[in-house]
Amino acid sequence: DSGVTQTPKHLITATGQRVTLRCSPRSGDLSVYWYQQSLDQGLQFLIQYYNGEERAKGNILERFSAQQFPDLHSELNLSSLELGDSALYFCASSGGGAGTDTQYFGPGTRLTVL
Amino acid sequence: QKEVEQDPGPLSVPEGAIVSLNCTYSNSAFQYFMWYRQYSRKGPELLMYTYSSGNKEDGRFTAQVDKSSKYISLFIRDSQPSDSATYLCAMPNNNNDMRFGAGTRLTVKP
Repeated sequence: DSGVTQTPKHLITATGQRVTLRCSPRSGDLSVYWYQQSLDQGLQFLIQYYNGEERAKGNILERFSAQQFPDLHSELNLSSLELGDSALYFCASSGGGAGTDTQYFGPGTRLTVL
Repeated sequence: QKEVEQDPGPLSVPEGAIVSLNCTYSNSAFQYFMWYRQYSRKGPELLMYTYSSGNKEDGRFTAQVDKSSKYISLFIRDSQPSDSATYLCAMPNNNNDMRFGAGTRLTVKP
């Protein structure tokens, strides 16, 4: 158990809808990272927050947004969902803000868009 | 061409075999090299972490980096059925953007 929690575990929704994925980092970790894992694209970095502020951005679509709250939990919002957004979404956390810090991954949220 | 290339396998070996997993990369700015292990239906977990060129050993696992060839390897000695998983190489770039390989699915048969 990495200490990172993600809810929900599974999510099934329809095209055009909006969903929110939640992540709680390990106790004491200030950074939260979001990743998308699909069969065709592999594991892709989406975005990083450090202590409430956006620190780095990867291949995140404009339809997606994230935020980190004062208690350091984070939410990833996905809107206008398309079939291609079906994937595993992982959250990871690390103590510091550097990309070289060890990242601890949560169990993931499996999103299915029908 | 992807920044990080990894043969997705699958790779199947008998128990006790030496396993060699490899990645190549194109960005010469990469300085840190990581190997993650991902069991089915789980999140990736960090297995090995090396900086620059050279070897690093941890138990049955050895990570090797050859920056001149832009080639990294992970060796598993005396492989066990519990090593059956997908192994992903990963490298952070200067923008904290972690680049992952496609992952190699390994099965160790008893």
